[in-house]
Amino acid sequence: GQQLNQSPQSMFIQEGEDVSMNCTSSSIFNTWLWYKQDPGEGPVLLIALYKAGELTSNGRLTAQFGITRKDSFLNISASIPSDVGIYFCARGETSGSRLTFGEGTQLTVNP
Amino acid sequence: DTAVSQTPKYLVTQMGNDKSIKCEQNLGHDTMYWYKQDSKKFLKIMFSYNNKELIINETVPNRFSPKSPDKAHLNLHINSLELGDSAVYFCASSQNRNRQPQHFGDGTRLSIL
Repeated sequence: GQQLNQSPQSMFIQEGEDVSMNCTSSSIFNTWLWYKQDPGEGPVLLIALYKAGELTSNGRLTAQFGITRKDSFLNISASIPSDVGIYFCARGETSGSRLTFGEGTQLTVNP
Repeated sequence: DTAVSQTPKYLVTQMGNDKSIKCEQNLGHDTMYWYKQDSKKFLKIMFSYNNKELIINETVPNRFSPKSPDKAHLNLHINSLELGDSAVYFCASSQNRNRQPQHFGDGTRLSIL
């Protein structure tokens, strides 16, 4: 299948630090999504991106759809303890179609 | 006000048994999905139904049989459970239009003894 690489696999940071994670794909797609999964729960959508170059913010979160349409990054500024969780990127032809998920970035925030 | 609800939340059973997981969404969506999340947290799509019609069927053993009685429900029946079936199974739903993201349930944790 087509590869989707997410990095880093895990991050350990101090409260207040900024965080960046990214995903790269071997193919071009029209949709990038970022989800967060808390322990014992399902993934929750954070940001959806639909256009190459699109930069979207959701509070302290900012994500961009790479201009090559093969990558995306997610930044979290001024991290807080409740940011702990697993962050997944996902890409697809449309957001409602078959999604391929990255392997996730496990974020730990030390108070 | 649960949007996508799955039952049961936990399922512990013996190898060889047959079990079902149910999913219901009250979002008015027309497309529903089943995903499997393994022990390394990797999420992989298994099936998708649009208006009760199967549209995605990934390489999944035929012991897994999805059933959609109506567009608000998508159940997953698993025959002859094997140890490797232990995982968290997530149901999701979306509206089949562009820019309509998928919403996930809280998962069913299946453990095979």
